[in-house]
Amino acid sequence: GENVEQHPSTLSVQEGDSAVIKCTYSDSASNYFPWYKQELGKRPQLIIDIRSNVGEKKDQRIAVTLNKTAKHFSLHITETQPEDSAVYFCAASMNTGFQKLVFGTGTRLLVSP
Amino acid sequence: DTGVSQDPRHKITKRGQNVTFRCDPISEHNRLYWYRQTLGQGPEFLTYFQNEAQLEKSRLLSDRFSAERPKGSFSTLEIQRTEQGDSAMYLCASSLDTALGGYTFGSGTRLTVV
Repeated sequence: GENVEQHPSTLSVQEGDSAVIKCTYSDSASNYFPWYKQELGKRPQLIIDIRSNVGEKKDQRIAVTLNKTAKHFSLHITETQPEDSAVYFCAASMNTGFQKLVFGTGTRLLVSP
Repeated sequence: DTGVSQDPRHKITKRGQNVTFRCDPISEHNRLYWYRQTLGQGPEFLTYFQNEAQLEKSRLLSDRFSAERPKGSFSTLEIQRTEQGDSAMYLCASSLDTALGGYTFGSGTRLTVV
């Protein structure tokens, strides 16, 4: 089955710096890659996603890149702000009739003022 | 309808007791999922419903676990004879059955088995 590895497990940056979180997946049939942000005690919230027919997607300060050949995808946050502090999860899914997401183990991002 | 609702938010139970959780998905979403999240880990898939049909169950879902979605709307997840290892956050999510799209998660039910 699919396996998703995520690095780093923790990431500390200064406000205004960029942050990059990387994930690798094992199943080349995976075709959908969402990123979720989870603040302490709250639900995971979808922040951006990318499909396998696209190499990069941007939404304001957030971007995701996908390298299908290498089977890895990354989340890029620019001009980080303290409110970006949270745990970020990547996930991968194959469209086998429904969306079973396999999640990475999460990255705790701390943005210091 | 502002999102996926889960009840209760917290549940503390003694080992060996049965517990039941409820999930109310977004009303127009016909796909419903249950995930389990332990501390420091990402959510793990448990089971999936398309309308009222339970179409896939993870090996994580032992015989002590049962999920239903009787009318294709809300869903319940029951754990019988709870064990300490069942302590986790149980997350429900829903989505439309269009091609690819993100889930909307509920806030979860945190289960503590003592």
